[in-house]
Amino acid sequence: EVQLVQSGGGLVQPGGSLRLSCAVSGFTFREYYMDWVRQAPGKGLEWVGRSRNEANSYLTEYAASVKGRFRISRDDSQSSLFLQMNSLKTEDTAVYYCVRLGVDRENYWRGFDFWGQGTMVTVSS
Amino acid sequence: DIQMTQSPSTLSASVGDRVTITCRASESVRIWLAWYQQQPGKAPKLLISKASSLEGGVPSRFSGSGSGTGFTLTISSLQPDDSATYYCQQFNSYPYTFGPGTNLEIK
Repeated sequence: EVQLVQSGGGLVQPGGSLRLSCAVSGFTFREYYMDWVRQAPGKGLEWVGRSRNEANSYLTEYAASVKGRFRISRDDSQSSLFLQMNSLKTEDTAVYYCVRLGVDRENYWRGFDFWGQGTMVTVSS
Repeated sequence: DIQMTQSPSTLSASVGDRVTITCRASESVRIWLAWYQQQPGKAPKLLISKASSLEGGVPSRFSGSGSGTGFTLTISSLQPDDSATYYCQQFNSYPYTFGPGTNLEIK
């Protein structure tokens, strides 16, 4: 059974830092691209960024709204994904989801087929 | 960035109705579009991938169509459990963008 279990959310002051973790099981983590998606309270979904897999040198991509402040990393030996968030702003307040980019039998992307349970990050003084 | 729009933003329909949600992209995303269902307090669930491929375990009353800039999600016979917010998402180019969502209410 595929599971993505998140931890690390909480309340932080503007300008502060927070690190989110996502521990996965049930699939070969190193083979997959992993992303972060967030959802501000009462709002829609926003893609945050991506970690490519080992075969693609773990290259990362970020949304413009977080680029230079957030950093995505992974530890394939621990099957874990991380989101380091620095210089946090009030507008970063959201539920953060780690997600897996699914691949079909023909190796085409399918979309985000598995989601973590979400973790709340509140940036407030 | 590719902008995604959805219509309608809210929809109220009865059990057994056929409902259609439209998603438009500001430029072509080819077939790289997904549909998600999000029920209150839960993580989104992937329903449709590559514009029209039904994900495993998703009821066959859900279907997707379209390519390029115009897409639709259709529920052929609405069920009470379909009450949720539906999002489209393009994964043709970075940054991946979601539509604003369609809130589907069961009368």
